[in-house]
Amino acid sequence: NAGVTQTPKFRILKIGQSMTLQCTQDMNHNYMYWYRQDPGMGLKLIYYSVGAGITDKGEVPNGYNVSRSTTEDFPLRLELAAPSQTSVYFCASIPRTSYNEQFFGPGTRLTVL
Amino acid sequence: GEDVEQSLFLSVREGDSSVINCTYTDSSSTYLYWYKQEPGAGLQLLTYIFSNMDMKQDQRLTVLLNKKDKHLSLRIADTQTGDSAIYFCAERPYSSASKIIFGSGTRLSIRP
Repeated sequence: NAGVTQTPKFRILKIGQSMTLQCTQDMNHNYMYWYRQDPGMGLKLIYYSVGAGITDKGEVPNGYNVSRSTTEDFPLRLELAAPSQTSVYFCASIPRTSYNEQFFGPGTRLTVL
Repeated sequence: GEDVEQSLFLSVREGDSSVINCTYTDSSSTYLYWYKQEPGAGLQLLTYIFSNMDMKQDQRLTVLLNKKDKHLSLRIADTQTGDSAIYFCAERPYSSASKIIFGSGTRLSIRP
């Protein structure tokens, strides 16, 4: 298994541009999450999904959108990038059978200038 | 509300024990976690403890939970240079079982 993969690893955007951060897991996990990590801070939950077709807002959803059309993929969309969205974004997943083990991707470092 | 707090930095001498502390606010939390983040990497689950336990030991790691004071600690025995990382405390609230709430992380540095 490749685990949780994220693309791209790095990206620089201009204010107002749009982009999609990709997240894929090949472990057939039901739960998937998007977090952002600002410098010196913990993780803040943006959106999460408990299964294909179901998504819910986390603590900081404004400025983002998600979709979950398949079990494997959970893309995060930024429509109008703002400097406040400069952060490292982590995708994670949890299997239904091992409720306490959250697997993280390597992260995407996004800078908005 | 749900909140998890940790001190930002800890420096210990190689070979000594490290103790990283955490406090949380949600008394209904079901599980509490310790994650490790090495530079440039995602978080890796180190260990977790169920809220009805007060201690869990796993090789060099000892987790202590004081439910009355809502205090969680992680002790790393015989700290090595490879233990240098950021350690995150996290809780799973009973009210939001699908979510995990993270603290800000404690950066552990090792002195020779």
